[in-house]
Amino acid sequence: DAGVIQSPRHEVTEMGQEVTLRCKPISGHNSLFWYRQTMMRGLELLIYFNNNVPIDDSGMPEDRFSAKMPNASFSTLKIQPSEPRDSAVYFCASTPQGTGELFFGEGSRLTVL
Amino acid sequence: QKEVEQNSGPLSVPEGAIASLNCTYSDRGSQSFFWYRQYSGKSPELIMFIYSNGDKEDGRFTAQLNKASQYVSLLIRDSQPSDSATYLCAAFRGSNFGNEKLTFGTGTRLTIIP
Repeated sequence: DAGVIQSPRHEVTEMGQEVTLRCKPISGHNSLFWYRQTMMRGLELLIYFNNNVPIDDSGMPEDRFSAKMPNASFSTLKIQPSEPRDSAVYFCASTPQGTGELFFGEGSRLTVL
Repeated sequence: QKEVEQNSGPLSVPEGAIASLNCTYSDRGSQSFFWYRQYSGKSPELIMFIYSNGDKEDGRFTAQLNKASQYVSLLIRDSQPSDSATYLCAAFRGSNFGNEKLTFGTGTRLTIIP
């Protein structure tokens, strides 16, 4: 089985540009999570979905960040406009509902110049 | 106070020795605890989880949980150079709808010295 698939793997953009990160969860997993990882702050939960419904978005830093899950096999995380402090690795993870065992994608490394 | 705290390290352990990684948590509502390993430049992968007080063994790995002290640890016996990685501790509140998030510590970087 394919794991969690994220794209792009690397993104370099200039401040002010829109960034869209994509994620395809493992088939059959009910929950999807977006995390951001930096050296200073570690892994931070941005938002998670259960059965395509956003459940907790309290970790979304500000209105520049938005996430959608239009169906069970696809989610996006959008940053508009991007800023240098958004530079980080963004991980998507999925899990069967209620297990707490996350399966991570390979991550999207974002650099905002 | 962070919800899950770990010593960032680095922790250096000779090959063949026991590596001991520690974690404390503040939310008494946390029901289970997970240890993830993350190699440099890679994504986290689950090593093991524990939800009952006491010890849980899986091969060279032993997880320990003390809910009264809000303390979790991971022991790695017969440490190998391939164990060199960052180890992330995570707390899980439970599976009730709306409480599925996993809260991670910042991780402990472990280096096994040949």
